[in-house]
Amino acid sequence: EAQVTQNPRYLITVTGKKLTVTCSQNMNHEYMSWYRQDPGLGLRQIYYSMNVEVTDKGDVPEGYKVSRKEKRNFPLILESPSPNQTSLYFCASSFLDGYEQYFGPGTRLTVT
Amino acid sequence: EDKVVQSPLSLVVHEGDTVTLNCSYEVTNFRSLLWYKQEKKAPTFLFMLTSSGIEKKSGRLSSILDKKELFSILNITATQTGDSAIYLCAVECNFGNEKLTFGTGTRLTIIP
Repeated sequence: EAQVTQNPRYLITVTGKKLTVTCSQNMNHEYMSWYRQDPGLGLRQIYYSMNVEVTDKGDVPEGYKVSRKEKRNFPLILESPSPNQTSLYFCASSFLDGYEQYFGPGTRLTVT
Repeated sequence: EDKVVQSPLSLVVHEGDTVTLNCSYEVTNFRSLLWYKQEKKAPTFLFMLTSSGIEKKSGRLSSILDKKELFSILNITATQTGDSAIYLCAVECNFGNEKLTFGTGTRLTIIP
């Protein structure tokens, strides 16, 4: 079954404690992206990747890092999380930029 | 498992035509349904629907929700080439933490 998986689904952590949210897709998609969803602000893109070892900043990259060492995986790293990063995070993948995206189930992150 | 299904997957029409995009869902603890338009990198918000039978309108776009039959439609009248995009439907649920499930979208192409 074609899917995008994210882990963990829910995470509560404290300020400053490094964390990683994993994202994996099984569709051999070139393009992967991370978004955050906040009430009243809609989806905002954090980082995206056009292919292995190719990543670029989206609209709200501050406080986040990503890597794309393999085609299927695109982890989101928060080196020093802060409360303003409390949000619902989505990973998505598509064949190419501009094509239909498959979204993961979301990760609800709370930073206290 | 929550599910959001959009149809058709792809639609090509001539400028001036009217189109109807469909979104059906099977979720637990429904809270709201959202429509997005994706032209470039991140989807832009169109509508949020929470109540059955109340049409939301914005210019040539309108949308309505049927909570009994578990679906929503997005109508675009007098289409223009600028309406060409992928239209995403997402359903928000409430388990105490919000959960958002996306469909894979409908690709709409408007031919001049």
